[in-house]
Amino acid sequence: EPEVTQTPSHQVTQMGQEVILRCVPISNHLYFYWYRQILGQKVEFLVSFYNNEISEKSEIFDDQFSVERPDGSNFTLKIRSTKLEDSAMYFCASSEAETAENYGYTFGSGTRLTVV
Amino acid sequence: KQEVTQIPAALSVPEGENLVLNCSFTDSAIYNLQWFRQDPGKGLTSLLLIQSSQREQTSGRLNASLDKSSGRSTLYIAASQPGDSATYLCAVKNDYKLSFGAGTTVTVRA
Repeated sequence: EPEVTQTPSHQVTQMGQEVILRCVPISNHLYFYWYRQILGQKVEFLVSFYNNEISEKSEIFDDQFSVERPDGSNFTLKIRSTKLEDSAMYFCASSEAETAENYGYTFGSGTRLTVV
Repeated sequence: KQEVTQIPAALSVPEGENLVLNCSFTDSAIYNLQWFRQDPGKGLTSLLLIQSSQREQTSGRLNASLDKSSGRSTLYIAASQPGDSATYLCAVKNDYKLSFGAGTTVTVRA
């Protein structure tokens, strides 16, 4: 079964450093997403991406965050200057369609980001 | 804003017992609802997707119902096994994103 692949699985970074989280969505999917889960909390929406632009973003997704699809396969989340509160599990997801009821999301296994 | 609530927060049952997990949501204008399984420190595995026009969906020992008008879904797991121990998340799709509940953590005792 097709998978969403995320790298790295774990990342430890110093506060103030930039990090890039990488994802390879399922090849025929057109919609891409980043979610995060702070330890012990709900999974939260960050951003959705379609046709090489952001289609929706949450209040969490401020100027410190950016997303990019640098080539035909990768989808990245960049955090410019990490804060302690950015420590979380970050999930990438993809979907074939956004408004069709018969299409769900496929999630990757996540990147655990620890900011020290 | 969509709010998703899952009850109970935790559940511990002996092996073989049936499990009933509840999910409620405030905005009934959804495209679909997905149930996910999450093992500790791991990713989200999709178990079932129920379309907004459906009332029920089944996969093996899992059965999920949806009552969109009342904003409720129930996940039934028949004849539970220790391997079913995990956190189960409900997520509804509307407004171009998924909104998640906090999950029900299930422990099945051998």
